[in-house]
Amino acid sequence: NAGVTQTPKFRVLKTGQSMTLLCAQDMNHEYMYWYRQDPGMGLRLIHYSVGEGTTAKGEVPDGYNVSRLKKQNFLLGLESAAPSQTSVYFCASSYASSNTEAFFGQGTRLTVV
Amino acid sequence: GENVEQHPSTLSVQEGDSAVIKCTYSDSASNYFPWYKQELGKRPQLIIDIRSNVGEKKDQRIAVTLNKTAKHFSLHITETQPEDSAVYFCAGRNPFSGGYNKLIFGAGTRLAVHP
Repeated sequence: NAGVTQTPKFRVLKTGQSMTLLCAQDMNHEYMYWYRQDPGMGLRLIHYSVGEGTTAKGEVPDGYNVSRLKKQNFLLGLESAAPSQTSVYFCASSYASSNTEAFFGQGTRLTVV
Repeated sequence: GENVEQHPSTLSVQEGDSAVIKCTYSDSASNYFPWYKQELGKRPQLIIDIRSNVGEKKDQRIAVTLNKTAKHFSLHITETQPEDSAVYFCAGRNPFSGGYNKLIFGAGTRLAVHP
């Protein structure tokens, strides 16, 4: 099993450009999450999904959109990138039970110039 | 919603000493508290977790304690080794938060173990 895979690993965007980050998991997990990691601020939840076709806002959703058209994929979109969105983005997935481990992808380092 | 605070933000210890990291949470309905370790440039990985019906859990050199009344939980690492150097994150999960199952993280603790 590959676990949780993120694409791409690195990306540089110009302000105003758009892009989509892809997260794929092969563990048949119901829940999927997108976090951003900034120095001194830990992992902040952007959006998450509890199942195919559902999404919900996390702690810092502004400027991002998500879609979960297939159970195994969770897409994070930036419609008009801003320098404040420079960060490392992590996707994670877990089973629906409240007390089970969340598995993380390897991260995407995004720089907006 | 849930808010998790973590202290200290940095911790420096000598090899062989113990390290303790503390977290507090705001939502009394939270029932699952994992700890993740993130080495430089790598993804966070679970090292230990505790559920609200348990007060303490131990796995070799690491242990976690939970005080539900005070709403805080702690990670204890004994006999620290240089390979324990990493950023550690605590997290809390409330299964009843609007029907959704958010996992909220603390800000992290950078642990440095000096030989």
